[in-house]
Amino acid sequence: GAVVSQHPSWVICKSGTSVKIECRSLDFQATTMFWYRQFPKQSLMLMATSNEGSKATYEQGVEKDKFLINHASLTLSTLTVTSAHPEDSSFYICSAPLAGGRETQYFGPGTRLLVL
Amino acid sequence: AQKITQTQPGMFVQEKEAVTLDCTYDTSDQSYGLFWYKQPSSGEMIFLIYQGSYDEQNATEGRYSLNFQKARKSANLVISASQLGDSAMYFCAMREGGGMDSSYKLIFGSGTRLLVRP
Repeated sequence: GAVVSQHPSWVICKSGTSVKIECRSLDFQATTMFWYRQFPKQSLMLMATSNEGSKATYEQGVEKDKFLINHASLTLSTLTVTSAHPEDSSFYICSAPLAGGRETQYFGPGTRLLVL
Repeated sequence: AQKITQTQPGMFVQEKEAVTLDCTYDTSDQSYGLFWYKQPSSGEMIFLIYQGSYDEQNATEGRYSLNFQKARKSANLVISASQLGDSAMYFCAMREGGGMDSSYKLIFGSGTRLLVRP
């Protein structure tokens, strides 16, 4: 099946620094990718829709200036958490839909972010 | 607005028995898709099964089947012959619109933690 990768899988950073997370579709092209955030013992919450070649669409309550999304190619989307704070510590997971596929989106393995 | 509800925060099942995980949804769209994902402790989201709103038959994938009751807006997951490896979080999700087009966002329920007892 389709494969989506994320890098890094784990990141620990100091408060105030920026962290970039990459999401790649390995064997298919994705004009759209989705970024989710999952806090411990909670569900996945959609943060934004990443669109290749255009601006991302953010969900209500998500700060677009804090969570920068760049979808520069058909296989890569990046999420940058700017000036990270401890409350940004979470599990970030991306997904990419396979066009024409009934089984919708393929998820990356996720990135665990810990901000100290 | 679309909404997914999973009312069982945790479930136990004896190994080799069947278990049903509940999911109800709310949408005003006529075309939508319903999904179940499994999330083990590693965090990865594993696709299990899909049901389209226009599909007349309940979806089945191996030991997984989806009990789709459109009038009741429910899409329960049935796992037959439970295995120890089935212990995980299970999320129900919905995609509005699209039909065969999968580039629409998913909305997830709160999840059910399943524990399979030996």
